[in-house]
Amino acid sequence: EAGVTQFPSHSVIEKGQTVTLRCDPISGHDNLYWYRRVMGKEIKFLLHFVKESKQDESGMPNNRFLAERTGGTYSTLKVQPAELEDSGVYFCASSHDHRAAADTQYFGPGTRLTVL
Amino acid sequence: SQQGEEDPQALSIQEGENATMNCSYKTSINNLQWYRQNSGRGLVHLILIRSNEREKHSGRLRVTLDTSKKSSSLLITASRAADTASYFCATDADAGGTSYGKLTFGQGTILTVHP
Repeated sequence: EAGVTQFPSHSVIEKGQTVTLRCDPISGHDNLYWYRRVMGKEIKFLLHFVKESKQDESGMPNNRFLAERTGGTYSTLKVQPAELEDSGVYFCASSHDHRAAADTQYFGPGTRLTVL
Repeated sequence: SQQGEEDPQALSIQEGENATMNCSYKTSINNLQWYRQNSGRGLVHLILIRSNEREKHSGRLRVTLDTSKKSSSLLITASRAADTASYFCATDADAGGTSYGKLTFGQGTILTVHP
């Protein structure tokens, strides 16, 4: 069974440009999460989808970030326009049932975003 | 201190020694998970311990959880050079018997195992 995959692995863009990150969760996982780690800081939650619905987007930093999960399969995270402080590693994770007491989140390899 | 804070921040040991990393947190939790990250790679799930469990084993890993002290420890026995990585604990807050579904991470412990 394939794990969580993310594309691209690296992205270097200039300030003001747009970047779209993609995440393909483990097949059959209804829950999809986005996290971010900026340099020197801890990994922080951005948002959580259950199927195609946004369950929790309390971690989204501002309205320059837009996440979608049309059809409840893969998800995209768009940053428009990108700012310098958006640089970091963006992780995607998926899980089977977030309401379960032992619901493991499986992480993808991350996308390293560099904004110049 | 922050939720899911690891201690120590860095640990350097020789192969064959045991490595112990600690994690403290603030809120009531549904479960606590430990992850490993090799340099430049993704997070690998190691072990999950539920709030009603006190100890769990997986191979050379032993995790303990003390909910009264809001702390957890990860013990790696007979360490190997391949165990060199960053280790993170992540808490899944309790939402009244269920889970919010979002993890809160600490800054991690960097473990270096010298051959």
